[in-house]
Amino acid sequence: QVQLQESGPGLAKPSETLSLTCSVSGGSISGDSHYWAWIRQPPEKGLEWIGTISNSGNTYLNPSLKSRVTISVDTSKNQFSLRLNSVTAADTSVYYCARLGSWGLGAFDIWGQGTMVIVSS
Amino acid sequence: QSALTQPASVSGSPGQSITISCAGTSSDIGGFILVSWYQQHPGKAPKLIISEVNKRPSGVSDRFSGSKSGNTASLTISGLQADDEAEYYCCSYAGSSSYVFGPGTRVTVL
Repeated sequence: QVQLQESGPGLAKPSETLSLTCSVSGGSISGDSHYWAWIRQPPEKGLEWIGTISNSGNTYLNPSLKSRVTISVDTSKNQFSLRLNSVTAADTSVYYCARLGSWGLGAFDIWGQGTMVIVSS
Repeated sequence: QSALTQPASVSGSPGQSITISCAGTSSDIGGFILVSWYQQHPGKAPKLIISEVNKRPSGVSDRFSGSKSGNTASLTISGLQADDEAEYYCCSYAGSSSYVFGPGTRVTVL
């Protein structure tokens, strides 16, 4: 079955760029109509949708983060990635990657285990 | 994007039924059938328990059910069990390929 695994530095400095990668196993991103998403959760707070990408690279981003977020896909590596620039302490969160329904509609049915990123100098 | 509204906490005794509401607007919950619910235990990733308002993924107990009326969606847990103690989040499609989550509801089994 499809599994997702986030990876990347657990620490980022204020004003720098946070970069994370989600590796997909048990299925192919390129041969799949599902879309792929990033979702984050600050400590002791709720979930926030960051954005979504299709296997062709079309992206859909949360308006509140759009100016700072880039999501990309590498079908050759079966991975997709998140870059969040100009980070502040408010960006400290557990970052999850997830699979979204076909054509970007539906529910987030498969999640990675999440990776904690702390923004601190 | 508008925010969804959920009660901060709901509690019930084992065996009882509880319902969690998720209020939105005509731009999200009221406008689409793409409402989903997630269960999250402490330190764990969220788990999908209801999609498209009332569909249960394979392997999810039939004690979980979903519904929608107007701009409000609801999750009902029947036959409450100790393991149901968790945080529950609603999520809705909000148009233009965007999604919005509710703030979460803490379910306590008394």
